[in-house]
Amino acid sequence: DGGITQSPKYLFRKEGQNVTLSCEQNLNHDAMYWYRQDPGQGLRLIYYSQIVNDFQKGDIAEGYSVSREKKESFPLTVTSAQKNPTAFYLCASSPHFTGGINEQFFGPGTRLTVL
Amino acid sequence: SQQGEEDPQALSIQEGENATMNCSYKTSINNLQWYRQNSGRGLVHLILIRSNEREKHSGRLRVTLDTSKKSSSLLITASRAADTASYFCATDAGTSGSRLTFGEGTQLTVNP
Repeated sequence: DGGITQSPKYLFRKEGQNVTLSCEQNLNHDAMYWYRQDPGQGLRLIYYSQIVNDFQKGDIAEGYSVSREKKESFPLTVTSAQKNPTAFYLCASSPHFTGGINEQFFGPGTRLTVL
Repeated sequence: SQQGEEDPQALSIQEGENATMNCSYKTSINNLQWYRQNSGRGLVHLILIRSNEREKHSGRLRVTLDTSKKSSSLLITASRAADTASYFCATDAGTSGSRLTFGEGTQLTVNP
């Protein structure tokens, strides 16, 4: 059963704590992405990775960090430096980063709430 | 930065009616995609139209692209209550690999 999984579905964090969101895919996709979605708004790109051991900042990378040690995994850490982290976080993947058709496949999302 | 802008922000129709959503963008694109999001879920890819295409169909979906006006429209025919969702356009400018820029979406409600 191929796809993208994100865990946990709901996450609560106290102010000042770092928290890591998991994203795993078994689609053998090269590229992976993290987006943030606020209520009633579109998606904003946080970080993306074209290939293992490489990643680039998106439009709103401040206060976030990522790693890409394995092709199938792209965890996102929300650090205490992120001023307003409460949001819905979506992970996605696509077969290749360059070379034409780049349909993205999304996970179910993680809703992070800072208490 | 948000390149795509959807219009209207919200649309409410009766089952069986057609729903039309529009998307405008600012820069040249390689392709434009439409995605659907049910409340609290991930996005699902619906259809992709390349910059050299003017119209594309998939089931009850029809997408048009006018590159001279930098706009696209998504038509859902014979809508069903199950079509209730948010619909987003996403543009690929082609200059940054597979980075997509998403609009803010149209919330479609189909009343039974």
